[in-house]
Amino acid sequence: SSELTQDPAVSVALGQTVRVTCQGDSLRDYYATWYQQKPGQAPLLVVYGKNNRPSGIPDRFSGSSSGHTGSLTITGAQAEDEADYYCSYRDSRTNHWVFGGGTRLTVL
Amino acid sequence: QVQLQQWGAGLLKPSETLSLTCAVYGGSFSGYYWNWIRQPPGKGLEWIGEISHSGDIQYNPSLKSRVAISLDTSKNQFFLNLTSVTAADTAMYYCARDNYGHLDLWGQGTLVTVSS
Repeated sequence: SSELTQDPAVSVALGQTVRVTCQGDSLRDYYATWYQQKPGQAPLLVVYGKNNRPSGIPDRFSGSSSGHTGSLTITGAQAEDEADYYCSYRDSRTNHWVFGGGTRLTVL
Repeated sequence: QVQLQQWGAGLLKPSETLSLTCAVYGGSFSGYYWNWIRQPPGKGLEWIGEISHSGDIQYNPSLKSRVAISLDTSKNQFFLNLTSVTAADTAMYYCARDNYGHLDLWGQGTLVTVSS
């Protein structure tokens, strides 16, 4: 199956560490790419590949992979990290993009 | 700095055709895939399709019968047409650049509402 499954909502205390996960059979073959979306804004790429961050993304954001699960970890969550997070991958066999349903992160 | 700027009609009636344009400013059009993605109000992201600078096209199978993506390399623009729209097509539509497996640039979004 090409589907990606995310928890609908996760919360974290300010300054603590949180992991947002993404599950799917295809993630055994592909790294998950992660996007952050704040209300009224376009998605923003935060992590891609094995564990790469675009310029300007704080190093508290990191990615990892294990089996059929991809994870986005925020180490020392800040108030400004409160957002929706989407995982995705591009299937190189079909050249189609697949997105997870998104996780709403609340910073308490 | 490369930017994507998009525009198009924001209010359509059922059965009309949605038409959007995305322009690439400040960077190369070549070597990338150019995507359209939409997001219904309060919901997640749905990939619509993509086109390469050389014209290779892929569509989401769920929309394939109604969607057409094209490009004009002379203007560094690519386009989305979606025919026979219904209320279910009401969404924020985004264009985005696929930079070797990650969508690193996004347009600002265009809200398209379908209502009679």
